[in-house]
Amino acid sequence: GENVEQHPSTLSVQEGDSAVIKCTYSDSASNYFPWYKQELGKRPQLIIDIRSNVGEKKDQRIAVTLNKTAKHFSLHITETQPEDSAVYFCAARVGDKIIFGKGTRLHILP
Amino acid sequence: NAGVMQNPRHLVRRRGQEARLRCSPMKGHSHVYWYRQLPEEGLKFMVYLQKENIIDESGMPKERFSAEFPKEGPSILRIQQVVRGDSAAYFCASSPSPKHEQFFGPGTRLTVL
Repeated sequence: GENVEQHPSTLSVQEGDSAVIKCTYSDSASNYFPWYKQELGKRPQLIIDIRSNVGEKKDQRIAVTLNKTAKHFSLHITETQPEDSAVYFCAARVGDKIIFGKGTRLHILP
Repeated sequence: NAGVMQNPRHLVRRRGQEARLRCSPMKGHSHVYWYRQLPEEGLKFMVYLQKENIIDESGMPKERFSAEFPKEGPSILRIQQVVRGDSAAYFCASSPSPKHEQFFGPGTRLTVL
């Protein structure tokens, strides 16, 4: 069935270093891949998204890459800062609904 | 333009009671999605509704759960005869169309005693 796998479940990086989160999806018809950031007790907020007609998209310190052949996509955060600490969810649109990965808890170490 | 509104923000129910969760989408959005988030887990799709229609309810448990989005008023997720396992955060999201970004509400945290 429809599935989005996300790794790692927890990630700790030194402040200033880069963080990479990887996801795979199962439905080859998926064409839209959003990434959400959720701080403790808050709502998920979209930070970047990518559609299947491009392979990479960048917004300041955040970039996302998509490999449609391999059905995987990744989030890259460079020059990490304390405020980047949160849970990050990848997702893929399947038909009219969005399927989420289980999330990655990112810790930025001082 | 107010964002997606949900109420109540916190709801406590005893086993066997009913829970009603409300979601008002952003202005101009006619598509509403409900998700459930268990502690330390991701968001699980439950149901997708458009005004007066359920489009996809493949993520809804077969019993005790129902959802509606009437012509007037908020979308409502109703859980009858709640059990402890229903304790979770329930988020709704809205979008102007299924092809657009979904905007999330603040969630309702349901606790079943």
